Amino acid sequence: KQEVTQIPAALSVPEGENLVLNCSFTDSAIYNLQWFRQDPGKGLTSLLLIQSSQREQTSGRLNASLDKSSGRSTLYIAASQPGDSATYLCAVNGNTPLVFGKGTRLSVIA
Amino acid sequence: NAGVTQTPKFRVLKTGQSMTLLCAQDMNHEYMYWYRQDPGMGLRLIHYSVGEGTTAKGEVPDGYNVSRLKKQNFLLGLESAAPSQTSVYFCASSSQNRGEQYFGPGTRLTVT
Repeated sequence: KQEVTQIPAALSVPEGENLVLNCSFTDSAIYNLQWFRQDPGKGLTSLLLIQSSQREQTSGRLNASLDKSSGRSTLYIAASQPGDSATYLCAVNGNTPLVFGKGTRLSVIA
Repeated sequence: NAGVTQTPKFRVLKTGQSMTLLCAQDMNHEYMYWYRQDPGMGLRLIHYSVGEGTTAKGEVPDGYNVSRLKKQNFLLGLESAAPSQTSVYFCASSSQNRGEQYFGPGTRLTVT
């Protein structure tokens, strides 16, 4: 059974820092991995989807990497801003529909 | 486009009552999903549909039923609500199998 882990559970950084969020999964037989953002009391917003054949995917200040063989993905956020404060979730598409991690709650302090 | 919408936004039920949550999408997506989100548990898949008229069980299907009579709508039913079903329910859709999923704003359900 696929399990997805996100470490750390919470992270607080000063504005302007570059940061990395981590996601690991136990079954490397995946089709793709999706990163989401969730603001308090809101739904999920898709940030990036990275296919199993890709190593990286970029959107603006965000860069997601995928190492399928080691079961790891990272989300890099450059020059963080207070507006980036939210919970970030990764989810893996494999033989079953999306399996989610529990998220990393990010606070960017002005 | 409205994307994925959910009705209602909030609801309080008493134990044993029934209700239906409605999910609608205007993106002509084939695939639709129902999740629940609980503190400390993350998001878990309840049921999903790969097209009009089809449904399948996810990780936590017990106590729920679903129907997909129209391509744009996916209904989640609770026949006899229990306090353990207190949760935030999210609907999502995607255009293809294992494709990028788009989420609705959620329904916050409390069962007393």
